[in-house]
Amino acid sequence: KAGVTQTPRYLIKTRGQQVTLSCSPISGHRSVSWYQQTPGQGLQFLFEYFSETQRNKGNFPGRFSGRQFSNSRSEMNVSTLELGDSALYLCASSPDPTSNTEAFFGQGTRLTVV
Amino acid sequence: QKEVEQDPGPLSVPEGAIVSLNCTYSNSAFQYFMWYRQYSRKGPELLMYTYSSGNKEDGRFTAQVDKSSKYISLFIRDSQPSDSATYLCAMSGARGSTLGRLYFGRGTQLTVWP
Repeated sequence: KAGVTQTPRYLIKTRGQQVTLSCSPISGHRSVSWYQQTPGQGLQFLFEYFSETQRNKGNFPGRFSGRQFSNSRSEMNVSTLELGDSALYLCASSPDPTSNTEAFFGQGTRLTVV
Repeated sequence: QKEVEQDPGPLSVPEGAIVSLNCTYSNSAFQYFMWYRQYSRKGPELLMYTYSSGNKEDGRFTAQVDKSSKYISLFIRDSQPSDSATYLCAMSGARGSTLGRLYFGRGTQLTVWP
């Protein structure tokens, strides 16, 4: 059974640009959550999607957005990139929102903003 | 105050030592308590989870939850160099509730030297 796949693994962008990250959940999993991980703040919750609907949103500015497709794949977008957006972005999938103890993480996308 | 507090370390111990990792939390509504292990350049992987108070043992790992003190611990017996990683505590409230998502500590970086 394939795990959670995040693409790309590494990304370098310039301030002011925008970026789109992709997450393919485990087959059969319909809930996808996104996190930002930095050395100073640890793992911070961005948002959670289930059945193409955003169920939960963390405390991030509107520059951070996401969506989920009918096949449960999810994308997150960051517009007008800032240096502080440099981080590891992690995606986690679970069968549904009530199954947090069955959440599996991808390897993440390392975003560097220069 | 963050919902979950975890000393980031770093923690360095000799092989064979007993390791104690801890987290405190502020929200008494948390019901599920998890420990994740994250190797360098990888996503977090679930080690074990506990529901409500009590202990849970899995091989060399023991998780303890004291809800009265809002304090959770992970003990690693006979630590091995392969245990060197960042350990993240996480917790969530009732499944399907607004607290149903995962709340993470910052992670403790552990090094076990031979």
